[in-house]
Amino acid sequence: GENVEQHPSTLSVQEGDSAVIKCTYSDSASNYFPWYKQELGKRPQLIIDIRSNVGEKKDQRIAVTLNKTAKHFSLHITETQPEDSAVYFCAASSGSARQLTFGSGTQLTVLP
Amino acid sequence: DADVTQTPRNRITKTGKRIMLECSQTKGHDRMYWYRQDPGLGLRLIYYSFDVKDINKGEISDGYSVSRQAQAKFSLSLESAIPNQTALYFCATSGPGTVTDTQYFGPGTRLTVL
Repeated sequence: GENVEQHPSTLSVQEGDSAVIKCTYSDSASNYFPWYKQELGKRPQLIIDIRSNVGEKKDQRIAVTLNKTAKHFSLHITETQPEDSAVYFCAASSGSARQLTFGSGTQLTVLP
Repeated sequence: DADVTQTPRNRITKTGKRIMLECSQTKGHDRMYWYRQDPGLGLRLIYYSFDVKDINKGEISDGYSVSRQAQAKFSLSLESAIPNQTALYFCATSGPGTVTDTQYFGPGTRLTVL
């Protein structure tokens, strides 16, 4: 089955700096890659996603890049703000069942 | 707004007890999922269902069972709870149809097994 590895597990940045979180996946058939943000005590919420026919997608301060050949994808957050502090999860979807396999999460802390 | 809801939100139970967690959705989605979240392990799939007659095991189904009572309702049962089932449980939905992969999560149920 699919295996998703996520790095780093914790990340601290100064407010205004950029943050990058990286994920690798194992199943070359995976073709949908969402990113979820989970604030403390809250449910995971989708912040951006990308499909395998696209190399990059951007939504305001958030962007995701995908390298199908290397089987890795990354989340980029620019001009970080304290409200960006949360746990971020990557995931990959594959197979006829369209299951999502999640990475282990990254705790992002934006320091004021 | 269309949403995914879970009951109870918090539950403390004892080893050996049977417990049911319930999930309901008003999104009109056909696919429903149960995940377990443990610190440092991300979200792991327990069971998923694509319609009322379709139930599938996920990565960690041992010790759990599910019931899809209607398109909008999906319940997770622990037949005999054990302490290592203490975790945060999330229900999620996606759909309709076979194209959409995006999953929407409920608020979670925090389960403690003593």
